Formats: sequence, C-alpha cells, structure tokens
Amino acid sequence: QVQLQESGPGQVKPSQTLSLTCTVSGDSISTAYAYWTWIRQPPGKGLEWIGYSYDSGRTHYTPSLKSRAFISIDASKNQFSLTLNSVTAADTAVYYCARATTRLAPFDPWGQGTLVTVSS
Amino acid sequence: QSALTQPPSASGSPGQSVTISCTGTSSDIGGYNYVSWYQQHPGKSPKLMIYEVNKRPSGVPDRFSGSKSGNTASLTVSGLQAEDEADYYCNSYAGSSTWVFGGGTKVTVL
Repeated sequence: QVQLQESGPGQVKPSQTLSLTCTVSGDSISTAYAYWTWIRQPPGKGLEWIGYSYDSGRTHYTPSLKSRAFISIDASKNQFSLTLNSVTAADTAVYYCARATTRLAPFDPWGQGTLVTVSS
Repeated sequence: QSALTQPPSASGSPGQSVTISCTGTSSDIGGYNYVSWYQQHPGKSPKLMIYEVNKRPSGVPDRFSGSKSGNTASLTVSGLQAEDEADYYCNSYAGSSTWVFGGGTKVTVL
C-alpha cells in the first residue's frame, strides 16, 4: 500500500523560499508512468494543483506558479520535493503530495498534508 | 486557467439524494473525460470518490455516482448518510499536462 508523507518547515518568511519533501513508501519513485504531484489548499479555501514531476525529472506546472515553482525527484531517497521561490502571504496553505499512476490518472493516494505559514 | 465553478453548499436529509454541479469550459471538462471528485472531511486529506467522470474506485459505495454533459460535470450522492457530510471538490484535466480544481461544495446532512 502506497503511503506519502510531507515534511518541511511550518513557517517561512516573506520573499524567502519554501521547501518541502514528500517521502514515498510502498512504491518506487522510479516507477514507470507515475506522476508525483503537489497540491495546496489555503486555509478555508479550495484545492489548487501546483504541478508534477515524472519520467525521472520532467515537470509540468500550473501557469500561475510556473515561474516560481520547481519539483524535483531524489530516487536514492525515494522522495520528491517542492521548492517555491519569493513567497508571500498568499502562499500560506496546507501542501499535499499525491501520486497519479499515469498522466491522466486521478490523484490517489494523498499525503496527510503540511501547513506552511508565510509570515515574518 | 480558471478554477471550475461549484456551488458553495448543498444539503439533504438522510436517505435523500444531493447533486453537486461543476462547471468548466470546452478547454477542460468539455474537452476531456477526465473528471474526478474528491471528498474531504475537516482536517483530513481529500479522498478519491469518482474518476474518469463516472468510475468508482474500489471501496467507494455505489451511492456515489458521476456524470457529465457538455462543460458541466455532476456528482450525485444517493441515500445520504451522516458520514457523507463533507466538502467535495471536482477536478478536470485542462490540457497541456495541467489540471484544475473546483472551489469546493460543502454538503450538509440535515
């Protein structure tokens, strides 16, 4: 059974960089066709797809975050990461990692989520 | 790329049915049969309930069903139960390897 677990700082200062890691268990992050995904949810608001990485490093991002987001894979640790540059209060959210088994598959399973607050 | 449009709330009594709509455009819902629905209880991660418009993952009760017409997808919960009270989000493929979510609908069981 695949499980995902997010980790990272709970608070980041404005203009700095947000960095989160998702540790995968029960599956190899090098699995063919798997899309390793980040999704976020501001407090009290809806979900926003951030992007995903696949095929050992290829990526796609939502247009609004394309210039600030970067998703990478570390196969040696069975982890993938999200880096978001130049954060503002609007980036305060619960960040979820998830897996899609193919390019058009749904996101399942999800991690438990981690709250990141952008504040000085 | 704009968020899909969902009603903020919906409700029904136990045993009744409730239907949630999710409206997009021809660039997302109308263009592809890759619409999913997720259920989220307070403080929990979203759970996949429907994928590819009308398919249920193993373990999801057949009280949950999905459909699509044009640019609008719908989730119907029949025989409402107390545990169905949650937020529901639609999600659609939007082309060019991108995805878009709806704003969410809070379902209340009266």
